[in-house]
Amino acid sequence: AQSVTQPDIHITVSEGASLELRCNYSYGATPYLFWYVQSPGQGLQLLLKYFSGDTLVQGIKGFEAEFKRSQSSFNLRKPSVHWSDAAEYFCAVGTDAGGTSYGKLTFGQGTILTVHP
Amino acid sequence: DSGVTQTPKHLITATGQRVTLRCSPRSGDLSVYWYQQSLDQGLQFLIQYYNGEERAKGNILERFSAQQFPDLHSELNLSSLELGDSALYFCASSVGQTIQETQYFGPGTRLLVL
Repeated sequence: AQSVTQPDIHITVSEGASLELRCNYSYGATPYLFWYVQSPGQGLQLLLKYFSGDTLVQGIKGFEAEFKRSQSSFNLRKPSVHWSDAAEYFCAVGTDAGGTSYGKLTFGQGTILTVHP
Repeated sequence: DSGVTQTPKHLITATGQRVTLRCSPRSGDLSVYWYQQSLDQGLQFLIQYYNGEERAKGNILERFSAQQFPDLHSELNLSSLELGDSALYFCASSVGQTIQETQYFGPGTRLLVL
């Protein structure tokens, strides 16, 4: 069965510092990979997604992620963090549901990002 | 604002009771998904509907059921509620039914079972 691991439960960075959030997945076939962000009291918003092609994916709000098949990883990065980036970040893998291509997402446990001024 | 609406925002009820959560997808979206977010289980996929038909099922309990109506809104029914059902329930919608579609999430319904 597919699974997603986000090793860091909580990360604290200073505003302006770079950021990398880790994500490892376990899935037999080529995965569909996503990063979502959840601000307090809000639903989830898609930051970026990877299906195929260029392994470096650009997303919204200045985020990017790199797919590394050899490491089964899809880490999220941002060169300079803003205070408004404080939120919880979820990595997800999209899997075929029973051989179909329907839209089941399996999420990691999330990483809470705190930004210090 | 994703365009997905969920009602109610908060719900407090007692064990053994039944509740109905409602979701209206974004205009033009045909797929609706339900997810449960709890402290111990994290964010889990429950079920997907596309244009009124069930498409995918996740870890949805038998006490839970869902449907999508002709006007495309969806309802998640939770019955014989237990303390462990306390969670944030999200609805998401997308245009199509495949995993490549971007899922837009609503703000959620927070359920507290006492």
